[in-house]
Amino acid sequence: ELKVEQNPLFLSMQEGKNYTIYCNYSTTSDRLYWYRQDPGKSLESLFVLLSNGAVKQEGRLMASLDTKARLSTLHITAAVHDLSATYFCAVDRPGGSNYKLTFGKGTLLTVNP
Amino acid sequence: GAVVSQHPSRVICKSGTSVKIECRSLDFQATTMFWYRQFPKQSLMLMATSNEGSKATYEQGVEKDKFLINHASLTLSTLTVTSAHPEDSSFYICSAKRGTDTQYFGPGTRLTVL
Repeated sequence: ELKVEQNPLFLSMQEGKNYTIYCNYSTTSDRLYWYRQDPGKSLESLFVLLSNGAVKQEGRLMASLDTKARLSTLHITAAVHDLSATYFCAVDRPGGSNYKLTFGKGTLLTVNP
Repeated sequence: GAVVSQHPSRVICKSGTSVKIECRSLDFQATTMFWYRQFPKQSLMLMATSNEGSKATYEQGVEKDKFLINHASLTLSTLTVTSAHPEDSSFYICSAKRGTDTQYFGPGTRLTVL
């Protein structure tokens, strides 16, 4: 059974600071995703990581993937209040053609002025 | 492109009634659609996977007779919560994909059962 663990689950940080969210998964997978969810809203796709060593950046967010370690990171640079949200990583389940996703529990990020 | 809509966005119903939620892919044909539920402050849990024209595949622990899924066309899937009870109150999110493409998520439907 594929397990996806995120940490930390709660993150309170000051504006301007840097921090990293970690996502570990238990079995080999083809793809890893990062999503953002605002309160009461659905998921917004941030990144799709397809291969070992993949790194993607968008604004103050950068995601990387190490398939050997089964680890992805979401790095936040110089945080601003607008980044406050819940961030989920999700991994394709191995096998089959439907690419079912297993989600981590999410990291609730609060950026304080 | 790749827009997925859900209707309704919010629904309140009485215990014992049935509620239908629609999921549409607006600008692409979805070979597969997924239904998730999310309880407050929790993660998304996959309920079922549906392919157009075939029966849905339900995840372990999800009652298929309670959560009826129909994927009648390449752009529409419906989830019917039958004989709803307060414990069915949740945020239901659908997603759609074409081929091996990524999943595109709908805006979600908040169901409250009184």
